[in-house]
Amino acid sequence: EAQVTQNPRYLITVTGKKLTVTCSQNMNHEYMSWYRQDPGLGLRQIYYSMNVEVTDKGDVPEGYKVSRKEKRNFPLILESPSPNQTSLYFCASGFPLHFGNGTRLTVT
Amino acid sequence: GESVGLHLPTLSVQEGDNSIINCAYSNSASDYFIWYKQESGKGPQFIIDIRSNMDKRQGQRVTVLLNKTVKHLSLQIAATQPGDSAVYFCAEMVRGNQFYFGTGTSLTVIP
Repeated sequence: EAQVTQNPRYLITVTGKKLTVTCSQNMNHEYMSWYRQDPGLGLRQIYYSMNVEVTDKGDVPEGYKVSRKEKRNFPLILESPSPNQTSLYFCASGFPLHFGNGTRLTVT
Repeated sequence: GESVGLHLPTLSVQEGDNSIINCAYSNSASDYFIWYKQESGKGPQFIIDIRSNMDKRQGQRVTVLLNKTVKHLSLQIAATQPGDSAVYFCAEMVRGNQFYFGTGTSLTVIP
């Protein structure tokens, strides 16, 4: 089944503790991207990748890192999470975008 | 940054009626538009898309209309069903790689 898989689905952490949210797709898509969804703001693009080893900032990249070492994987890294990064995160791939089921992150 | 807005945050329709959800965008250079449906606890699900060289596209029970003159996009759902209840939002693609999303319209179908 064609899908975008994110892990974990839920994550509670403390300020400053590094974390990684994984994203994997099995559709051989070159394009992958990360979004955060906050009430009243809609989805906002954090980072995107046009292909392996090619990544670029989206609208709200501050506090996040990504890597694209393989075509299928596009992890989102928060080196030092802060409470304002509490949000619902989505990974997506391809055109049109195929979304994962989301990761709800809480930073206390 | 770009601005994508939806005209109504909520919409209630009777089962069997047609629904129209609207979206306004700001960037004249946007060349690709997508409508998504999001159910509670799930990721956005693709409904239909349209490129800027078209003004109308039809799918199964859905139609997207694009008016580039006034930068307006609409989604029409025919014979709305209870399973159509969800949040709907539009997205525009700019420069071939960046996406901007509207805030969403919550559609409630009344049986």
